[in-house]
Amino acid sequence: AQSVTQPDIHITVSEGASLELRCNYSYGATPYLFWYVQSPGQGLQLLLKYFSGDTLVQGIKGFEAEFKRSQSSFNLRKPSVHWSDAAEYFCAVGHNAGNNRKLIWGLGTSLAVNP
Amino acid sequence: DTGVSQDPRHKITKRGQNVTFRCDPISEHNRLYWYRQTLGQGPEFLTYFQNEAQLEKSRLLSDRFSAERPKGSFSTLEIQRTEQGDSAMYLCASSLQGALANTGELFFGEGSRLTVL
Repeated sequence: AQSVTQPDIHITVSEGASLELRCNYSYGATPYLFWYVQSPGQGLQLLLKYFSGDTLVQGIKGFEAEFKRSQSSFNLRKPSVHWSDAAEYFCAVGHNAGNNRKLIWGLGTSLAVNP
Repeated sequence: DTGVSQDPRHKITKRGQNVTFRCDPISEHNRLYWYRQTLGQGPEFLTYFQNEAQLEKSRLLSDRFSAERPKGSFSTLEIQRTEQGDSAMYLCASSLQGALANTGELFFGEGSRLTVL
């Protein structure tokens, strides 16, 4: 069955530290991969996406993610976390950019940032 | 430019009452989606529209739920005879789909939180 796993339910990092949020997927076809962020009381905002090409993608707010087909992973990274990065992060997988309704979502990782 | 807006942001209702949520998408977006999100979960797809046509409904959408997008612009999601299990955040998203505009990005509103007592 198709699925997305975000192994870490909650992560706490210190401000200025590096961050990596894990995302693993199980998908039968070439995936389209997304990371969204949701701040408290806010809607979801797209951080970055991978469709094809360079497996290292750059996103907004200094985030990047690397697609590793051999590991079925699309981990999100940031070299230096800011307090404003505290939020819920969702990884999502689809098989067609046009079929957004078919996105499969992870359960999310809640990020807390210590001052 | 305004993004996707949803109204009301919060709704508290008693079980058995009807509620209606409104979503105004980004004006040039032809696709509009409704999702439901409960605490600790990712969004769950409910239904989506291409212009005014409702193209798909999830099995999660029981007969008590109805969505419309009468003129291909704003949309409403109505829940009849609400149950406590309907308590959730209802998210609306829009996107622009077309041969040259298929970025796959959904633009979400801030959601309408429903609490059924």
